[in-house]
Formats: sequence, C-alpha cells, structure tokens
Amino acid sequence: KAGVTQTPRYLIKTRGQQVTLSCSPISGHRSVSWYQQTPGQGLQFLFEYFSETQRNKGNFPGRFSGRQFSNSRSEMNVSTLELGDSALYLCASSLVGQEGNEQFFGPGTRLTVL
Amino acid sequence: GQSLEQPSEVTAVEGAIVQINCTYQTSGFYGLSWYQQHDGGAPTFLSYNALDGLEETGRFSSFLSRSDSYGYLLLQELQMKDSASYFCAVRNYGQNFVFGPGTRLSVLP
Repeated sequence: KAGVTQTPRYLIKTRGQQVTLSCSPISGHRSVSWYQQTPGQGLQFLFEYFSETQRNKGNFPGRFSGRQFSNSRSEMNVSTLELGDSALYLCASSLVGQEGNEQFFGPGTRLTVL
Repeated sequence: GQSLEQPSEVTAVEGAIVQINCTYQTSGFYGLSWYQQHDGGAPTFLSYNALDGLEETGRFSSFLSRSDSYGYLLLQELQMKDSASYFCAVRNYGQNFVFGPGTRLSVLP
C-alpha cells in the first residue's frame, strides 16, 4: 500500500507570494491533517479535513487555508508569505473512527521564504 | 488550552534502557501517542495508550497514568538507530492533535 505523498518536496518563495502544497493520503484514509514544523515551535497543528470538510483548525492566521477533494487528496495554501512561514509542512492521514492513535505522515514539503 | 512537556534531550549508551517522560495539561483526550522522527524524516507512529497502564511493542513500551497526567516511553536494548527525536501527542475531545516539543535521544556507542 502506498504511503502518504506530498508535493513538492522543496519550495523557495519570496515574501508576499502565495504557495499551494499538495498531499495524497493513503488509499482508504479519509482524514488528512496538516502540521507546521519548525525548530523553535515543534509540530503545530494547522487543520484537519474529513470528507471535504474542515473538521478542526489550529491557531494560525487566515492566510493559511486548505481544502480536500472528493478523492481525499488535500491542498493547503498560504497567501502573502512571511519570512516566519519558512518551515517543514507535514500532512498526515488516518482512518475514520480511530480516535487518537495512529497518523501516517508524508515526507513533508520544505518551504523557504526569502 | 492544552500543553505537553518533555525533556529536550536524553543521552544513553547502546544496550541501555531509557525512559522519556511526557507530562500534560489537558481537559480531556482520547489517549497518548508516541512518534519517532529521524533527522530529515517524517514522524512515524510508535505506540498508543488509550487506557492507563503499560503497552508493550517489542523493544518499546509506553505507559499512561491519567490520574497523574503523565506518561512515558521506555526504550530497551538501545541501538544506534534509535537516535532520533521522540514526540508524545494527544488527540483532544475537540479532535485537535497536540504534540509535545519533542525529546532528542542520542545513543552513544
């Protein structure tokens, strides 16, 4: 069974630009969560999508948004990029009904904002 | 709010046993999970405690005590490949996942 895939793996942008990251979950997984990982802040929860609906949202500004498609693939968008948005963005998928145990992470997208 | 605390670094030698603690402040959650992340890699799931007590998976064991707001990950027969960062995490009743800051384990020969 293929794992979680994320594209692109690396991205360099400049301040003020916007970026879209993509995540394909494991087949059959309907929940997709996004995280921002930085050395200083660790893993911070961005949002979770389930059946094309945002189910939960972390404490991030409105510049961070996402969506999920009918095939469970998800995208996240960051508008008006700031230097502080440089981070590793991870997505993770999980099965429906598993209330807290296992998430499967993708390799991440390394975003650098110059 | 919710927060989890872990030691920032732990060092041990090959073959030894190490315990990584996780204390938390949360109003309610389903269970405590542990993830391993090697440098440059993605977090991978290690274990999950829905109930109080000890869960064993090979060389790894995890423990949860809800009354003490405390859990730990126990790694036995340490190997060099165990050098990584370890994160505890909870999924609260509001469905958000919250991760601890991570503990960097260094295994020395």
